Amino acid sequence: GGIITQTPKFLIGQEGQKLTLKCQQNFNHDTMYWYRQDSGKGLRLIYYSITENDLQKGDLSEGYDASREKKSSFSLTVTSAQKNEMAVFLCASSMQGWEQYFGPGTRLTVL
Amino acid sequence: GDQVEQSPSALSLHEGTDSALRCNFTTTMRSVQWFRQNSRGSLISLFYLASGTKENGRLKSAFDSKERRYSTLHIRDAQLEDSGTYFCAAEKGGGTGSKLSFGKGAKLTVSP
Repeated sequence: GGIITQTPKFLIGQEGQKLTLKCQQNFNHDTMYWYRQDSGKGLRLIYYSITENDLQKGDLSEGYDASREKKSSFSLTVTSAQKNEMAVFLCASSMQGWEQYFGPGTRLTVL
Repeated sequence: GDQVEQSPSALSLHEGTDSALRCNFTTTMRSVQWFRQNSRGSLISLFYLASGTKENGRLKSAFDSKERRYSTLHIRDAQLEDSGTYFCAAEKGGGTGSKLSFGKGAKLTVSP
C-alpha cells in the first residue's frame, strides 16, 4: 500500500499573504489533484496534474497556483489569502483513469 | 450546473437497520467512487465502480450499467461506527486526467 501526506496539517495565515501547501504520495501514481472543501459542502477541484511538470485547471483555479515538481509531489499556492477564509484543502492521487486516494487534508484559517 | 445530485442530504438510523444513499448524474458517467468522511475530515474510499455492483461487509454499491446515470450505496445492519458523511463522486471520462465531480454529501447518524 501507499500513503499520501500533506503539510502542514493546520495553516493560519494573514489576509493578503501567499501560502503554500504541500502534498507527497508514494503510490507511484501519475495523476495528482488538489481539492477545496468548504464547511458542510462537497469537494471542488482546484488543479490537477497528469504527469511531472503538467498542470491542468479545475473548476476553482482562480486565486491559486500549483506546481508538480516531481512525480511524487504536488504543491498548491494560495496567491492572496482572503480574510476570514476557512477551508480544508485535500490532495489526492490516482493512476490515470482509476480510483483516487486522498490525503488527510490541510485546514486553512485566515485571520 | 451540478453534475452529481446526492440524496438524502442527512439520514438518521437506529443500530441494526438498513438504508440506502443515492446519486443521480445529469450526464452519462464513466465511473463512480463512494467515500466516507470521518469526524477528523479524512476521506476514505469505500468503492470504485466502472459498472455493476461491489460488496464489502455490510456495504454494497451499485452503478447503473445501462445508462450510467445513477449509483446507490446500501448499508445493511447499521452500526455506530458507520456514522459520518458519505460522498459520491463521478468521472465523466473522455478527457485527460480523472476529474471527479462530487455530490454535496449525506450526513449519516447512527444511534443506539
